[in-house]
Amino acid sequence: DTGVSQDPRHKITKRGQNVTFRCDPISEHNRLYWYRQTLGQGPEFLTYFQNEAQLEKSRLLSDRFSAERPKGSFSTLEIQRTEQGDSAMYLCASSLEGLAGVEQFFGPGTRLTVL
Amino acid sequence: EDQVTQSPEALRLQEGESSSLNCSYTVSGLRGLFWYRQDPGKGPEFLFTLYSAGEEKEKERLKATLTKKESFLHITAPKPEDSATYLCAVQAGGATNKLIFGTGTLLAVQP
Repeated sequence: DTGVSQDPRHKITKRGQNVTFRCDPISEHNRLYWYRQTLGQGPEFLTYFQNEAQLEKSRLLSDRFSAERPKGSFSTLEIQRTEQGDSAMYLCASSLEGLAGVEQFFGPGTRLTVL
Repeated sequence: EDQVTQSPEALRLQEGESSSLNCSYTVSGLRGLFWYRQDPGKGPEFLFTLYSAGEEKEKERLKATLTKKESFLHITAPKPEDSATYLCAVQAGGATNKLIFGTGTLLAVQP
C-alpha cells in the first residue's frame, strides 16, 4: 500500500534562496492539497488541486509561493526568495473526489529551515 | 468565520485512566469533522470522519462523537503508545475543500 510521499524530508536553506518540494499522492486520488504547519499549531491550508486545475488558494499563499500539478499526478511547491518566517513543516495530502466531507490522507511532510 | 478550538492543550494520563478530548467548532454548513493523530515529526494520520450530530465511531480504544457544536474523542484505558497530538479539523459547506484545524491536544500516557 503506497501512501502519500514527499521529497525531500528535510531542507535547510539560506534566506533568499529558492526551494522546491515534491509530493506524490495516493495513485487513484484526484485531489491534492498543500498545508503548512508551524510548531504548536495545526496545519494551515495553502492550496488545492483537482486533477491539473488549481481550484483554491489561501491568502497565506504569497506571490513568492507557486504550486503546480502539471499532469494531474505529482505536485511541486516552490518558494522563491525564502524568508525566515517560511520555516515550517510543509504537508501534502490527497483525497478522492466526493460530495460529502472526504478524508484527506497526509504525507510525512517536508521540514524547511531557513537560516 | 469558521473556527475550531481544542481543549485541553495538553493532557497527562496514567496508563488505564480514561478521559476525553474536546473539539468545539463554528462552521457554515458542516460537511465533515475529522480526527487525526500526529506523532512528532510526522504527518497527521487519519482516524475518523463524522458527518452529522449523533454520529459515533470507534477504533480500538478511541471513540469519537459529534454534536451540533462540538466533538469528543474518548480514550478508554489508554496505553503509552496512544501518546501523540490529536488534531480535530472541519470541512465547511460550499465550494471549499480545505480542512480547518484546531491547534491539537498533546496527550501523554505514562506507564
